[in-house]
Parts: sequence; structure tokens; C-alpha cells
Amino acid sequence: LAKTTQPISMDSYEGQEVNITCSHNNIATNDYITWYQQFPSQGPRFIIQGYKTKVTNEVASLFIPADRKSSTLSLPRVSLSDTAVYYCLVGDGNAGNMLTFGGGTRLMVKP
Amino acid sequence: GEEVAQTPKHLVRGEGQKAKLYCAPIKGHSYVFWYQQVLKNEFKFLISFQNENVFDETGMPKERFSAKCLPNSPCSLEIQATKLEDSAVYFCASSRLESGNTIYFGEGSWLTVV
Repeated sequence: LAKTTQPISMDSYEGQEVNITCSHNNIATNDYITWYQQFPSQGPRFIIQGYKTKVTNEVASLFIPADRKSSTLSLPRVSLSDTAVYYCLVGDGNAGNMLTFGGGTRLMVKP
Repeated sequence: GEEVAQTPKHLVRGEGQKAKLYCAPIKGHSYVFWYQQVLKNEFKFLISFQNENVFDETGMPKERFSAKCLPNSPCSLEIQATKLEDSAVYFCASSRLESGNTIYFGEGSWLTVV
């Protein structure tokens, strides 16, 4: 299973764009990249998933370079409510296969 | 339902007592996963099911942990003879066959062993 490396923590201010980069040097051909968000005392919540290039949804964008050895989660104009832990996960796209969580990035958004 | 429902939200057990946690996956989801989250955000995969069949149990400490997903019943995770190190949040998640490896988590069950 590909291991992921993320910064332990990041600080930002309301209204700024936040980019969290994840390294996954050993990503396999079949692997997808998935990001989850976790608030205190809650379960992880799916944010976005991608395989290559760029994916955008109503919450975030995911940028994946051609070599796929890293990915960047971009959160536009963060608010205080975006303070959470963000996890980058890598795993094949087959249903039922477990995802391996790394340590996550604790994002603190300040007023 | 539209959410993964876990019960109880909180459970306190003395060392050596049994703990049993329940999970109702999202309706229509074929896969159920159990994860354990301890301090410092560390997640540990325990076991997964495809319907009522064990799919992957590589993370399961088999001596004291067991799990089931029976038809028409909530899935369950049971810990016999709990130990202090079993104190953690236990998350259940579910997914559809068509959604690849996107899984949806419940709110977790907080187990405290004293």
C-alpha cells in the first residue's frame, strides 16, 4: 500500500485559499487519491477523489501532476468552519478494499 | 437510511468486561468497514464485510475481537475482555459496489475502558 506524507499542521486566515500537499511516491497504477475531512468528535467526511490532472467539486479542487507522486488539495476562501484534520489516502479503486489513513494535516483557520 | 448509524455513541467498560458496538450501513451499500481511531489521529483498519461475508480481516486482533454482519440486522463489533488499550473511537463505514473505494463513515462509538 502506498504511504502518504502530509504536513502535520497548517494555519490560515479566513478568506484565504489553502493548499495542502500530500506526497505518495509509491503510488501504484491502479491507485486513486482521496481526501477526507474530520471535525472533532465526528467521523471522516469524503471531500474529493481523483486519479490524474484536476478534479473540482463544490467544496474543493484536487490537483494531481503527471507523475502522480503528489497531490494538492485546494480549499478556496476558507472559513473558521474549515478548521479540521484533512487526510490524504491512496488506494485502488476497487470497492471493498480498505483505505489506509496517514497522520493527516490539522488545519487551523483564524479570524 | 442515508447515514451510517452507529450505537452507542459512548460506552464505558471496566477492564475485562465485554463491549459490543453496532452499525447500520447506508441502505443499499454492500460493504461495511470497521476502523479504530486512537490518539494522534491514528486510524487502524480492523475488518470489512461484503454483505454478510468477511471481506478482509487482516487488521483484526482475533483473540478478543469479533464482528458480524447478519442479514436484516445491524452489523456488530464485539470485544471480549476489554483492555485499557482498547479505549478508542470505533468508526463504521459503508460503501456501494459502484462507488469504488469511496467510503462513508458514521459518527463513531467512543469506548472508554477503565
